[in-house]
Amino acid sequence: AQSVAQPEDQVNVAEGNPLTVKCTYSVSGNPYLFWYVQYPNRGLQFLLKYITGDNLVKGSYGFEAEFNKSQTSFHLKKPSALVSDSALYFCAVRDDSNYQLIWGAGTKLIIKP
Amino acid sequence: EAGVAQSPRYKIIEKRQSVAFWCNPISGHATLYWYQQILGQGPKLLIQFQNNGVVDDSQLPKDRFSAERLKGVDSTLKIQPAKLEDSAVYLCASSLVGTAIEQYFGPGTRLTVT
Repeated sequence: AQSVAQPEDQVNVAEGNPLTVKCTYSVSGNPYLFWYVQYPNRGLQFLLKYITGDNLVKGSYGFEAEFNKSQTSFHLKKPSALVSDSALYFCAVRDDSNYQLIWGAGTKLIIKP
Repeated sequence: EAGVAQSPRYKIIEKRQSVAFWCNPISGHATLYWYQQILGQGPKLLIQFQNNGVVDDSQLPKDRFSAERLKGVDSTLKIQPAKLEDSAVYLCASSLVGTAIEQYFGPGTRLTVT
C-alpha cells in the first residue's frame, strides 16, 4: 500500500538556523512527491514538487527538498529559518492507482526568535 | 489569477441542522476536490469531480453528505443532518487535470457543530 509518513509532530528551530522537516514515503512505482504549507486559518499552499530529474527541488519562500530514492525520503529544508516560517507542513505522495494525493499527518514547525 | 474561493469562512450550527458550503475553483481547472480536515490531521478526500462528473466519492458519507458541481464550475457541499463529529475545516481544491499535478486550495470553511 502506498503511504507517506511524517515522523515528527513538531519541530522547533531558532531563527536563522537551518531547518529540516522529514518525510518518508512508500509507493509501488516512481514517486510524485509534494510539500504544502498551512498557515493558521488558511488553506494549504503548494510549496514544491518532485516528479523527475534533479534530486534537489527548489520551491517557494526559499524552501527546498531533497529526494532520496534509496532512503525513500523527501525532506523539506531551508538554510536559514524565519519566524514567519512557523506553520503546519504537509508532505504528500501521488497514489498511482487513482492519481489522488496521500497526505502525511503534518508537522508543526515553530521558529523561535 | 484569482485563487480558489470558498464561502462562508466560518459556520456554527447545532447538531441535526443542515449546512452548505460553496466553492469556485480557479478558472479553467477541470478537477475539483472537497476535503475534510480535522484539527491536527491531514486532509481527507471526500469527493473528486472531473468537470461536472464524479470521479471518486468513496469516502463521502452519503447518508448525510452530498455534493454537486453543476456546469462544471462552481460546487456545493451539503451536510444534512450535521453531527458533532462533522466539526472540521472543509477545503476545496482544484487542479488543471486529475493527475494530481499540484492542487490549489481555497481558504477553507471552519464548521463547528454544537
